[in-house]
Amino acid sequence: AQRVTQPEKLLSVFKGAPVELKCNYSYSGSPELFWYVQYSRQRLQLLLRHISRESIKGFTADLNKGETSFHLKKPFAQEEDSAMYYCALARGGFQKLVFGTGTRLLVSP
Amino acid sequence: DADVTQTPRNRITKTGKRIMLECSQTKGHDRMYWYRQDPGLGLRLIYYSFDVKDINKGEISDGYSVSRQAQAKFSLSLESAIPNQTALYFCATSVTGQGGSGELFFGEGSRLTVL
Repeated sequence: AQRVTQPEKLLSVFKGAPVELKCNYSYSGSPELFWYVQYSRQRLQLLLRHISRESIKGFTADLNKGETSFHLKKPFAQEEDSAMYYCALARGGFQKLVFGTGTRLLVSP
Repeated sequence: DADVTQTPRNRITKTGKRIMLECSQTKGHDRMYWYRQDPGLGLRLIYYSFDVKDINKGEISDGYSVSRQAQAKFSLSLESAIPNQTALYFCATSVTGQGGSGELFFGEGSRLTVL
């Protein structure tokens, strides 16, 4: 069965500090992985997906199949990064997404 | 702007009442989904539909039913609401085929409280 684990409910850092939001998954096939973000009073929206190998708002995430992880990283956190972050997994073919429980990132000045 | 619209945005009801949450989209997407969000549990899939004639149960479909009235409309019903169905409900859409990327587009959410 597909499962996504985000072990941290809350991650609190100071502005300028590095950030790593952890995501581990279990899936026997070829996963498609995503990070979604929900800023205060905004809709849940896609932040990045592993197949694009892109950096969005300074965030990157690398799929590590050996460790079954897709951690989200940013070298220098900004206050505007404060939000709820969800890791999500889809089976090949972009069928329904399974979400993790989310990590709230709080960046303090 | 093409959008995903949910109604109502907030609803308070009593145990045993029938409730319908509606979702409409102007994105032209074929796939639609209903999720519920609970603190500490994240988003869990209730039902999803890949086209008008294709309805599928998600991981927590018990106590819920859906109707895909048209490509643009996907309604979620609680036939007899109970307090543990108190949650924030999200509708989402996506597109298949070569234009699809797995990205979901979410509505603003419908907060349901069952007393």
